[in-house]
Amino acid sequence: DTAVSQTPKYLVTQMGNDKSIKCEQNLGHDTMYWYKQDSKKFLKIMFSYNNKELIINETVPNRFSPKSPDKAHLNLHINSLELGDSAVYFCASSQTNRGTGELFFGEGSRLTVL
Amino acid sequence: GENVEQHPSTLSVQEGDSAVIKCTYSDSASNYFPWYKQELGKRPQLIIDIRSNVGEKKDQRIAVTLNKTAKHFSLHITETQPEDSAVYFCAASKGSGNTPLVFGKGTRLSVIA
Repeated sequence: DTAVSQTPKYLVTQMGNDKSIKCEQNLGHDTMYWYKQDSKKFLKIMFSYNNKELIINETVPNRFSPKSPDKAHLNLHINSLELGDSAVYFCASSQTNRGTGELFFGEGSRLTVL
Repeated sequence: GENVEQHPSTLSVQEGDSAVIKCTYSDSASNYFPWYKQELGKRPQLIIDIRSNVGEKKDQRIAVTLNKTAKHFSLHITETQPEDSAVYFCAASKGSGNTPLVFGKGTRLSVIA
């Protein structure tokens, strides 16, 4: 029974296209995140939502738009994809927004922009 | 904001030897320091964490030490095994308000059999 699941696992697309990644957690957590992991493996936070409310937006281009329809779901839509968007995108959740509890990551979505 | 530096970026050890990964943080208000392990092609997973009221914590072959004065914490893995090969990330958080974890850049550990 997967705790944090995200789809799709792989995305290959052309520059300029728009794509979405979906994430769901069944842990009953209040807080969800999107992290970007580049080719050098650096894990950088993009967004955080607490109870459907955006609480962290880390200087991400506005081509990236997260949406949280309820506290169990956090989706990421990316417009006008660029080569530099190629990365693995991880969704994660935690019980609270204080950053002091375990982060549960999804399996990642590998985006390749050609 | 918080800045976490992690060294080394790569580390190779012989099976059975110990491995040490070091991190420094910049914000003296940080009080929570977890370590995550990411095996190849997998998701990061928490392996151990330490809070600022504790100087050392052990869990079987892994231990973490914290020096608040120096703003420095380390991961120690003893009797390394091939399955310890992975990328390890340290992180730090202030633990107040809407505070994200800030990760170090990771250490790729290779355990050579």
